[in-house]
Amino acid sequence: ILNVEQSPQSLHVQEGDSTNFTCSFPSSNFYALHWYRWETAKSPEALFVMTLNGDEKKKGRISATLNTKEGYSYLYIKGSQPEDSATYLCAVNTGTASKLTFGTGTRLQVML
Amino acid sequence: GAGVSQSPSNKVTEKGKDVELRCDPISGHTALYWYRQSLGQGLEFLIYFQGNSAPDKSGLPSDRFSAERTGGSVSTLTIQRTQQEDSAVYLCASSSGSGSNQPQHFGDGTRLSIL
Repeated sequence: ILNVEQSPQSLHVQEGDSTNFTCSFPSSNFYALHWYRWETAKSPEALFVMTLNGDEKKKGRISATLNTKEGYSYLYIKGSQPEDSATYLCAVNTGTASKLTFGTGTRLQVML
Repeated sequence: GAGVSQSPSNKVTEKGKDVELRCDPISGHTALYWYRQSLGQGLEFLIYFQGNSAPDKSGLPSDRFSAERTGGSVSTLTIQRTQQEDSAVYLCASSSGSGSNQPQHFGDGTRLSIL
């Protein structure tokens, strides 16, 4: 059974703070890693899909890195804003193009 | 354009009843996925459809669960003889291809409550 772990489970930061969280996964049979943002009462929204070791992706104030050899990805948010408050989900494809195995998410709350 | 549409948004039913959940994917998307999130758990894969290929049913938790996709578009997830542990948010997603590098586009989900 593939185990995708995210930490921390939840995080409270002040507006303007920069923050980061981690997704860990088994490095064998890796195909791709996805990051999604899930705001309350909305549907999960795709942020990044990364496939290559050393990949770095950026979207506005949010960026992500990938290390497939050691099995982790970091998501960074620079200058957090209240609208960044959401659960950030990491998911991994291994061995098959069909299934995504999700972590339990990091719940971020940005306070004014 | 229209996103993934799911219905109903909420469903409350009695234990033992059958329920049908519907998903209308983004037009032209060939891949369709069903997931569920039980309380305190992560998103759990249930089933995957890709074009005309046989579906990957490996995530269905029991034979009370089934799904079909008609005409390569709309999908229905059916749960027979519902149990309380079936209470969860059921999410549908679609993508434009089957590759692992394709982002998935999610619907708003159906919140299912079994009394």
